[in-house]
Amino acid sequence: KAGVTQTPRYLIKTRGQQVTLSCSPISGHRSVSWYQQTPGQGLQFLFEYFSETQRNKGNFPGRFSGRQFSNSRSEMNVSTLELGDSALYLCASSRQRGETQYFGPGTRLLVL
Amino acid sequence: ILNVEQSPQSLHVQEGDSTNFTCSFPSSNFYALHWYRWETAKSPEALFVMTLNGDEKKKGRISATLNTKEGYSYLYIKGSQPEDSATYLCAFMGSGNTGKLIFGQGTTLQVKP
Repeated sequence: KAGVTQTPRYLIKTRGQQVTLSCSPISGHRSVSWYQQTPGQGLQFLFEYFSETQRNKGNFPGRFSGRQFSNSRSEMNVSTLELGDSALYLCASSRQRGETQYFGPGTRLLVL
Repeated sequence: ILNVEQSPQSLHVQEGDSTNFTCSFPSSNFYALHWYRWETAKSPEALFVMTLNGDEKKKGRISATLNTKEGYSYLYIKGSQPEDSATYLCAFMGSGNTGKLIFGQGTTLQVKP
């Protein structure tokens, strides 16, 4: 079974731009969660989607948004990028909410 | 604000040593406690999901225990090997917020041959 895939793997943007990251969950998994990893803050929860609905949201500004499609694939969008948004963005999928989350390889975003 | 604490922050051991780490989490509204191993340049790998007080899980040389009443979990590695070198993360999942993992800062283990 293929694992969680994320595209792109690396991205360089400049301040003020916007970016869209994509996550394809493991086949049959319906829940997708997104996390941000920075050296100072560790892994921080961004949001969770299940059945195309956002179920949980972390403590991030409204510039961070996401959605989930009917095939469970998910995208997250960051608008008006700031230098502090430079991070590794990980998505994780699980079969059902509350079960083991399997992580993708992440997208490393650098904002200049 | 929910806080998940892990100790120690880092650990250096010799090959063959046994070691253990601690994860502290809120004792209220508990749903599950997850353990992950994260090697450099790889994705976090799920080790255990623990849900019941007194739970003990084992996977090869790695085992974990859970005490939900006092809010802690221990991860044990018996006979450490260089390939065990990684960052070990625990993550709390609260009832009513399943799907949201609150991670500790991790314990980085380095095993010297």
